[in-house]
Amino acid sequence: NAGVTQTPKFRVLKTGQSMTLLCAQDMNHEYMYWYRQDPGMGLRLIHYSVGEGTTAKGEVPDGYNVSRLKKQNFLLGLESAAPSQTSVYFCASSYELAKNIQYFGAGTRLSVL
Amino acid sequence: DQQVKQNSPSLSVQEGRISILNCDYTNSMFDYFLWYKKYPAEGPTFLISISSIKDKNEDGRFTVFLNKSAKHLSLHIVPSQPGDSAVYFCAASSGNDYKLSFGAGTTVTVRA
Repeated sequence: NAGVTQTPKFRVLKTGQSMTLLCAQDMNHEYMYWYRQDPGMGLRLIHYSVGEGTTAKGEVPDGYNVSRLKKQNFLLGLESAAPSQTSVYFCASSYELAKNIQYFGAGTRLSVL
Repeated sequence: DQQVKQNSPSLSVQEGRISILNCDYTNSMFDYFLWYKKYPAEGPTFLISISSIKDKNEDGRFTVFLNKSAKHLSLHIVPSQPGDSAVYFCAASSGNDYKLSFGAGTTVTVRA
């Protein structure tokens, strides 16, 4: 049972490049989330999804887009990367009966030069 | 504006002693609180939670205390072990909202 898997683990981008971060969960969870973690800031919610085909904005959505075409996958896209998007990105998921308890992936460390 | 605050970025404690981590919140609508633990290069993992209808929840060496009037919660680890060295995040949610608000984290170092 892999839980929540994020790919890639590391990535370096140049300003203006685009990329997609993939999150996959095998727990059949309804809810999925994307966070970014910055020093001194804790985890901040970027976007989230309450089910297949749905997405919603979180606390810091600007510069990111998401899609959830399949229940098990949640994609985070950066259309034109900026140095301010240098961060560690975490994906998480949770299920209806314990929606507050989120299960996290290992993270993607992204540097934008 | 952060609604969940962990004002101590770090804590160093000797093995076998008690670790006390503190967390304050400003949103009076929060009624469910969680602590997550994070090791380097790993994602956070759920540790313990407490509902606002309780003032204490215990799970083995970990106890969380909630003071609603002060909007304050704390995590006690007794006794502290080297494997407890990690970053601890406090998180909160309100009602049926599944979204969590996280604090900035406290890095705990347990000295042998």
